Amino acid sequence: NAGVTQTPKFRVLKTGQSMTLLCAQDMNHEYMYWYRQDPGMGLRLIHYSVGEGTTAKGEVPDGYNVSRLKKQNFLLGLESAAPSQTSVYFCASSYWSQGNYGYTFGSGTRLTVV
Amino acid sequence: SQKIEQNSEALNIQEGKTATLTCNYTNYSPAYLQWYRQDPGRGPVFLLLIRENEKEKRKERLKVTFDTTLKQSLFHITASQPADSATYLCALPGGGTSYGKLTFGQGTILTVHP
Repeated sequence: NAGVTQTPKFRVLKTGQSMTLLCAQDMNHEYMYWYRQDPGMGLRLIHYSVGEGTTAKGEVPDGYNVSRLKKQNFLLGLESAAPSQTSVYFCASSYWSQGNYGYTFGSGTRLTVV
Repeated sequence: SQKIEQNSEALNIQEGKTATLTCNYTNYSPAYLQWYRQDPGRGPVFLLLIRENEKEKRKERLKVTFDTTLKQSLFHITASQPADSATYLCALPGGGTSYGKLTFGQGTILTVHP
């Protein structure tokens, strides 16, 4: 049971380049989330999904797009990377009934935009 | 706007003592509150969930209290060990249409000295 797997673990991008971060979970969770974590800012929600084929904006969605074509996968895209997007990105998933369960997080992707 | 504050950015204690971490919130009426542990370079790990109608919850050496009048949760680690050193995050769900999304505090860095 792998839980939540994020790929890649590290990446360096040049300003203006694009990339996709992949999140995969094998727990049959309905909900999936993308957060970014920056020093002094804590975890901030970028986008989330409450089921296959659905996505919604979180607190800091600008510059990012997401897709959830399959229940087990949640993709985060950066169309034109900017230095302000240098961060550690975490994917998480949970059951729909969060009153009983917490999130399961991946190990993160450390992204540097130069 | 909703706000979460975790007192003491860093807490240093001696092994064997009880660590007490605080999570205060404003403009929330959460149905539950969660605590997570995060080690350097890793994703947060869910520890405990306490519901609004529960005043206290225990799990091994961990104890969480939830005072909805004071809008505060306390997280205790008894008989602390150096292995308990980590960042501890509290998290609360949004209400209404944002139900299910967690907002995280910035965390308290706990260091347990041998």
